[in-house]
Amino acid sequence: GQNIDQPTEMTATEGAIVQINCTYQTSGFNGLFWYQQHAGEAPTFLSYNVLDGLEEKGRFSSFLSRSKGYSYLLLKELQMKDSASYLCAVSSNTDKLIFGTGTRLQVFP
Amino acid sequence: EPEVTQTPSHQVTQMGQEVILRCVPISNHLYFYWYRQILGQKVEFLVSFYNNEISEKSEIFDDQFSVERPDGSNFTLKIRSTKLEDSAMYFCASTRGDRVNYGYTFGSGTRLTVV
Repeated sequence: GQNIDQPTEMTATEGAIVQINCTYQTSGFNGLFWYQQHAGEAPTFLSYNVLDGLEEKGRFSSFLSRSKGYSYLLLKELQMKDSASYLCAVSSNTDKLIFGTGTRLQVFP
Repeated sequence: EPEVTQTPSHQVTQMGQEVILRCVPISNHLYFYWYRQILGQKVEFLVSFYNNEISEKSEIFDDQFSVERPDGSNFTLKIRSTKLEDSAMYFCASTRGDRVNYGYTFGSGTRLTVV
C-alpha cells in the first residue's frame, strides 16, 4: 500500500527553527515534494528531493533519506506568514503525487 | 510568474446535475492533472493527462468523470451526475517535466458544493 505520515499539528515561535518530519512507504519512488498550503488556497511548491541529502533554498531546507523512507522540511527564522499547512508528497513509479495529510504549523509572536 | 488559472472559483450545483470545471495550464507545460481535496482531508489524485490522452486515473475517477483538452489551452473536468460526496476543492495542476525547479504548479482551485 501507499502510506505517507506526518504530524498533524506543530507550533513554534517567530524567529525560531522548526523541523517537520515525513515518513513514507510507497510501491515506487520517483521523488519527494514539499508544498505549502494556506487555508482555502492552492498548494505552492517549496522543494523537490530525489537523491539523498539536503537541499537548501533560502530559509527552507529539505532532507531525504531513501533507505529510511524519511524526509524533513526545515524552516528557519520563522515568520508569522509561515503559518500554513505543509504537505509532504511522493511521486511513486508514475508521475502522480501521493500526499500526506499535511502538518498544520502555527507560528506565534 | 506564470499561473495555472481555474474557473469558476466557486460552484454550487444540485445533486444529479452536470458540472464542468475549467483550467488553463501554463502554456509550455505538457502534463496536466486534476486533484481534489475534501474539506479537512488530504489532497487526492484524480487523473493525469499527456499527449491528448489519459495516462493514469485513480479509483475515484469513475465513469461519472471525464477530462478533455478541447483546444490548445483549456483543460476541463466534467462530472456527469454530481453526488453530495463530490463536494470538494478541485485543483488543476500542470508541469513541463522539470521537477527540480518547478515541481507541479497548482491552480487556485474550484470549490464545488453539491446540494
